[in-house]
Amino acid sequence: KQEVTQIPAALSVPEGENLVLNCSFTDSAIYNLQWFRQDPGKGLTSLLLIQSSQREQTSGRLNASLDKSSGRSTLYIAASQPGDSATYLCAVRLLYDYKLSFGAGTTVTVRA
Amino acid sequence: DGGITQSPKYLFRKEGQNVTLSCEQNLNHDAMYWYRQDPGQGLRLIYYSQIVNDFQKGDIAEGYSVSREKKESFPLTVTSAQKNPTAFYLCASTGREQETQYFGPGTRLLVL
Repeated sequence: KQEVTQIPAALSVPEGENLVLNCSFTDSAIYNLQWFRQDPGKGLTSLLLIQSSQREQTSGRLNASLDKSSGRSTLYIAASQPGDSATYLCAVRLLYDYKLSFGAGTTVTVRA
Repeated sequence: DGGITQSPKYLFRKEGQNVTLSCEQNLNHDAMYWYRQDPGQGLRLIYYSQIVNDFQKGDIAEGYSVSREKKESFPLTVTSAQKNPTAFYLCASTGREQETQYFGPGTRLLVL
């Protein structure tokens, strides 16, 4: 069974600092990996999706990398803003499976 | 405006009562999913459906039931057999290529 871990569980940084969020998974036979954002009491919004054949994916200030061999993905958020405060979750889909396995998330607070 | 709607936003269940959570999508997606989210935990899959009139149990299906009579709709019933139903319930869908997963705004279920 795929286990997905996100460390740390919570992170607080001053505005303008770069954010680095980590995601690790136990089974490297993945189809893709997604990063999501969740605001309190809301649903999830997809930020980036990385296919298993890709090493990274970028969107604006966000960059996600994938290293299948080590079972790791990292989400970088450049020049953080208070509006980036949210919980960030990663989810992994295995080959030949329709299900996603989610990490518990990292809750980020960006202080003005 | 395409998306996923869930209703109600809040739902209260009395002891021994069955309640049904609604999920509707107008994205023309084939696959739909129900997740449960508890504080400090990742999302856990309850049921999923790849096509109309077919669905499979996820990791925590006991005490829940679903139906998929229409492509757009995937209601979830929380039965009286579910002894700890208090949680945030999220519905999601994906397109034919099983890529990005889109989420609804969620329903919070509370027990009276």
